Amino acid sequence: EIVLTQSPATLSLSPGERATLSCRASQSVSNYLAWYQQRPGQPPRLLIYDASNRATGIPARFSGSGSRTDFTLTISSLEPEDFAVYYCQQRSNWPITFGQGTRLEIK
Amino acid sequence: EVELLESGGGFVQPGGSLRLSCAASGFTFSSHTLSWVRQAPGRGLEWVSFISASGGDTYYADSVKGRFTNSRDNFKDTLYLQMNSLRAEDTAVYYCAQGGSTSSIYNSWGQGILVTVSS
Repeated sequence: EIVLTQSPATLSLSPGERATLSCRASQSVSNYLAWYQQRPGQPPRLLIYDASNRATGIPARFSGSGSRTDFTLTISSLEPEDFAVYYCQQRSNWPITFGQGTRLEIK
Repeated sequence: EVELLESGGGFVQPGGSLRLSCAASGFTFSSHTLSWVRQAPGRGLEWVSFISASGGDTYYADSVKGRFTNSRDNFKDTLYLQMNSLRAEDTAVYYCAQGGSTSSIYNSWGQGILVTVSS
């Protein structure tokens, strides 16, 4: 099973600041990595797929990068609605796995 | 607009069974893979099971293999999860999620349904 490790567990920032979230895979997942945002009481929402492709309707302030084992989600300038939990997910190998999440909170 | 509506959740004793349903609309159901993903209270996301567009291929997490069965009815546009021999650790919100034609990129999710396993 591929283990995805997200860091940091919690990130405290202010609106307008830049956020950088990391996801590290225990073995190569090529570029088969996605990022999801989950707000309280809501289902997850797809942000980025295949490492760097923004999903339909996702603002340009969200970007993804990386390949093989190291991936980054960047939010260029935080909006109030961006404070949520973020998960990475790999679909390279069965079973599909998610990272444990990074909570982005208002400082 | 894609809609996925889960039903069938509730309270069940350990060892019991439940069948979840996920009614879909707004897309060509038979052209998309579907998965179940769960989230225990206060915890992260856990993938449970995948089913291909035709229903011919299924995959399961080790934690549910042999106890859960994922199936679909492409005439009724409905996904099912038969859950047997339920355990306390199966307590979670269960989401159905729409994938691509072959992929597990989850473009759309249902609102989720709570399953509570307790004596």
